[in-house]
Amino acid sequence: GPKVLQIPSHQIIDMGQMVTLNCDPVSNHLYFYWYKQILGQQMEFLVNFYNGKVMEKSKLFKDQFSVERPDGSYFTLKIQPTALEDSAVYFCASSLVLGGREQYFGPGTRLTVL
Amino acid sequence: AQKVTQTQTSISVVEKTTVTMDCVYETRDSSYFLFWYKQTASGEIVFLIRQDSYKKENATVGHYSLNFQKPKSSIGLIITATQIEDSAVYFCAMREGDSNYQLIWGSGTKLIIKP
Repeated sequence: GPKVLQIPSHQIIDMGQMVTLNCDPVSNHLYFYWYKQILGQQMEFLVNFYNGKVMEKSKLFKDQFSVERPDGSYFTLKIQPTALEDSAVYFCASSLVLGGREQYFGPGTRLTVL
Repeated sequence: AQKVTQTQTSISVVEKTTVTMDCVYETRDSSYFLFWYKQTASGEIVFLIRQDSYKKENATVGHYSLNFQKPKSSIGLIITATQIEDSAVYFCAMREGDSNYQLIWGSGTKLIIKP
């Protein structure tokens, strides 16, 4: 099936530092998403992005979080500054259209904040 | 409120048998979409199958099928002729209508296929 790529696969940083998680969505997809999964727990929605704008975000999408996709390059999630509770696996997803179509997920980036 | 509930934490079955995993959901929308994904041991999340709320027929893809019982707000996943490689955590998810973008996820059911 369609492939979403995420870079890096694992990132370890000190609390307070900035981190950028990169996602290369499926080439013709238009909607992009970030989800957060704490180890052993269910997936939780963070944000959805379309046409250069945040369309919807959850309570988990704190002010320290931001997303962008400059000029069709990577879709990024930036956390600045990071906190200990940001440690989780972050999954990027993309979908072609909105109307009920499935989202395709990347392999995740494991973020460890020390 | 939107909610997806998977009450089965773990299921273990013998290879080549059929297994059913339960999922119930709560929504106020008349239009919604239900999905099943699996997460492999490596963490990869794989889309399996989708059911649109307005469709009466149960979706089927390969050896995956759904048991959609709309009056009970239930969307069970049935896997026939299970294989060892079906061992994974299976998540049920829901998206409401066309104005919401996020997937609401269940807590997952760990499926163990024994030889």
